[in-house]
Amino acid sequence: DVKVTQSSRYLVKRTGEKVFLECVQDMDHENMFWYRQDPGLGLRLIYFSYDVKMKEKGDIPEGYSVSREKKERFSLILESASTNQTSMYLCASTPGLLVSYEQYFGPGTRLTVT
Amino acid sequence: GNSVTQMEGPVTLSEEAFLTINCTYTATGYPSLFWYVQYPGEGLQLLLKATKADDKGSNKGFEATYRKETTSFHLEKGSVQVSDSAVYFCALMVNTGGFKTIFGAGTRLFVKA
Repeated sequence: DVKVTQSSRYLVKRTGEKVFLECVQDMDHENMFWYRQDPGLGLRLIYFSYDVKMKEKGDIPEGYSVSREKKERFSLILESASTNQTSMYLCASTPGLLVSYEQYFGPGTRLTVT
Repeated sequence: GNSVTQMEGPVTLSEEAFLTINCTYTATGYPSLFWYVQYPGEGLQLLLKATKADDKGSNKGFEATYRKETTSFHLEKGSVQVSDSAVYFCALMVNTGGFKTIFGAGTRLFVKA
């Protein structure tokens, strides 16, 4: 069964801290994604990666960076956390780049920045 | 551009009622269409999908038909259960200038016993 796991379900950090969110998939998928989910806004794409060490900016990359050193792992980094980054963060993966492929999501990390 | 518009919630229904959640889209190119569901405290999971015009996706009693002429993909279920209470997201995926999935804002459904 397909599985995407995220390192934390809940996280509380202080303003200015560096924050790492980890995502691991066990399906040998090529592509991985980071979204943030906010009420009334749906999901917005932060970054995605279509191969190891490759990354592409999504719609809202400002204040974030990513790392993909291994195929199964995709990390989201908040260089200096701010209160407007309080949100639910969702990781997803797909096996390839076809429009018919659905995304497989992790359970999410609810991040609070105080 | 590409966008998805779905009806605002919350939607509150009694058990065994008929459900419709409207979804319309705009897309450059030829998208695939999806409905995802998010149960409380969980990530999204695929409910159903359709990859070409007139296709009907179905799963767990839910159905949606890809209507190119009306650019719509409305979600329906004939008889909802309390366990269907969740947030439902309509989404499209298109390959124009890069593969991208566009999500609607989500519709929260409450089903009362």
